[in-house]
Amino acid sequence: GAVVSQHPSRVICKSGTSVKIECRSLDFQATTMFWYRQFPKKSLMLMATSNEGSKATYEQGVEKDKFLINHASLTLSTLTVTSAHPEDSSFYICSASNPRGTTDTQYFGPGTRLTVL
Amino acid sequence: AQTVTQSQPEMSVQEAETVTLSCTYDTSESDYYLFWYKQPPSRQMILVIRQEAYKQQNATENRFSVNFQKAAKSFSLKISDSQLGDAAMYFCAYRTYLNSGGSNYKLTFGKGTLLTVNP
Repeated sequence: GAVVSQHPSRVICKSGTSVKIECRSLDFQATTMFWYRQFPKKSLMLMATSNEGSKATYEQGVEKDKFLINHASLTLSTLTVTSAHPEDSSFYICSASNPRGTTDTQYFGPGTRLTVL
Repeated sequence: AQTVTQSQPEMSVQEAETVTLSCTYDTSESDYYLFWYKQPPSRQMILVIRQEAYKQQNATENRFSVNFQKAAKSFSLKISDSQLGDAAMYFCAYRTYLNSGGSNYKLTFGKGTLLTVNP
């Protein structure tokens, strides 16, 4: 299957700082990327859908000014958690797909564990 | 809106035995995709199997097969000859078939079934 990477795998930051997480599709062009949040022993909660070259579509209840998403190229999307607080601590997962191409299945990155002190 | 229900929060199976994980869904659409994803302790989501709703034939991938009952809106996963490496959280997911791009391609996940494999 297609490969998606995420960086960093884990990050610890102080409250009030901003953290950027990168999601890359390594062997295919991802026209669409998705960002999820997952709490322990829970299912994935979709935060937003990111299309290359356009603004992200956020799910209801997700603050777009808090979670900035940029999808500047067909292989890279970034999620920036701005002014992070302890309640933002979570596991963040991205996925990538190319719905109009041959990779219309979502392939997932390995996730990023964010801890805000 | 579509919903996906996994009624078994936890399941266990003996190594080399067979186990079936259940999944039901609700939709008014006639064309869609269904998926089973596996999330081991590493938390990497791995695609196990995928089924297109317009295909009557059940999808199979080695030891993994599905029982897709479209009228009943049921999509169960059967794992044969269970191995210790099969221990993971399994998520059933639904995706619309609409060819309009963007958020229409988002997945709707069930709550997951935690599978334990006993040696």
